[in-house]
Amino acid sequence: KAGVTQTPRYLIKTRGQQVTLSCSPISGHRSVSWYQQTPGQGLQFLFEYFSETQRNKGNFPGRFSGRQFSNSRSEMNVSTLELGDSALYLCASSFYSTRGEQYFGPGTRLTVT
Amino acid sequence: KNEVEQSPQNLTAQEGEFITINCSYSVGISALHWLQQHPGGGIVSLFMLSSGKKKHGRLIATINIQEKHSSLHITASHPRDSAVYICAVRVPPGNQFYFGTGTSLTVIP
Repeated sequence: KAGVTQTPRYLIKTRGQQVTLSCSPISGHRSVSWYQQTPGQGLQFLFEYFSETQRNKGNFPGRFSGRQFSNSRSEMNVSTLELGDSALYLCASSFYSTRGEQYFGPGTRLTVT
Repeated sequence: KNEVEQSPQNLTAQEGEFITINCSYSVGISALHWLQQHPGGGIVSLFMLSSGKKKHGRLIATINIQEKHSSLHITASHPRDSAVYICAVRVPPGNQFYFGTGTSLTVIP
């Protein structure tokens, strides 16, 4: 089985722009979670989707949003980018919602200048 | 205040040594995960625990629910074990993840 894939792998944006990141889960997995990792804050949970519904949301501003499609692929969007949004964005998929093993993608490295 | 505390933050060991990484948490949990992150960012899930002990190769993970504590042990450590090890807990009712700050392990040949 192919693993979790994320595109793009690297991205450079300027302040004020918006960005969309994509995540394709392992075939058969219906849950996709998104995480932000920074040197200062470590790993933080952004949101989780299961069967196109947001099941859980972390403590991030409304500029961070996501969605999941009927084929379980997920996108996250960050609008009005700030320098502090520079981070590694990871997605993970699992078979069950909010439980079970998580399988992580390689991440998207976003740099905001 | 962080719900999940790990110790030590950094650890250097000689190849072959027995290694222990500790994780303490302050909230009720539904499960605890140990993750491994190599340089470059990729994260691999090592264990998912809700009670007792699990073993996979040279890795052993234990959890004590009453004491809100888990340990990850690596027997006969090897340089390829060098990575950051992260403890994460799922907290009901929403079961979202809270993460420790990680333990950076370096195993010297």
